[in-house]
Amino acid sequence: AQSVAQPEDQVNVAEGNPLTVKCTYSVSGNPYLFWYVQYPNRGLQFLLKYITGDNLVKGSYGFEAEFNKSQTSFHLKKPSALVSDSALYFCAVSPDRGSTLGRLYFGRGTQLTVWP
Amino acid sequence: EAQVTQNPRYLITVTGKKLTVTCSQNMNHEYMSWYRQDPGLGLRQIYYSMNVEVTDKGDVPEGYKVSRKEKRNFPLILESPSPNQTSLYFCASSPRDLEVDTGELFFGEGSRLTVL
Repeated sequence: AQSVAQPEDQVNVAEGNPLTVKCTYSVSGNPYLFWYVQYPNRGLQFLLKYITGDNLVKGSYGFEAEFNKSQTSFHLKKPSALVSDSALYFCAVSPDRGSTLGRLYFGRGTQLTVWP
Repeated sequence: EAQVTQNPRYLITVTGKKLTVTCSQNMNHEYMSWYRQDPGLGLRQIYYSMNVEVTDKGDVPEGYKVSRKEKRNFPLILESPSPNQTSLYFCASSPRDLEVDTGELFFGEGSRLTVL
């Protein structure tokens, strides 16, 4: 069965410290991988995606993610956290369908809190 | 302004009373999808549509119907709502072609539905 796991419900970091939000997946083939962020009472916003190529992907707001095929992981990272990064983060996976989106599986979300 | 518009934003209804949540996008996107968000479960895909007159089931289609008669609209229909359909619903759209576009999903602001 296809699935996405975000093993941590909560991540707490101090402002200025690096942050990592973890994601692992179980999807057949070569999946497409995404990270989204949700602020309170809002819809989700796209951060970045991995389709193919470099394992390190750079996205919005200084975030980046590292794809590791052998560990089936796609962890979200940022070198220096900001209080404004506090939000709910979702990892998402789409099984390979050529170059188009189809089914999309989301993790349960990780609440990131950055304290001053 | 590019946007995905959902209506209603909030609704309280009773078991068995048919309702429709509308979704409209003004970006000429081919791909549209519905999700429900529940605490601890993340986002689960209900239905998605790759183009006009093409719809497919997601993870949790039971109790829901959709139609895609026009490119811009993708209504979600609950023929006989039940309390377990109480949830926060999101509509999203995307250009679909991941080699040309980012694959970014554009989300609506959400519709909070309570079924008594």
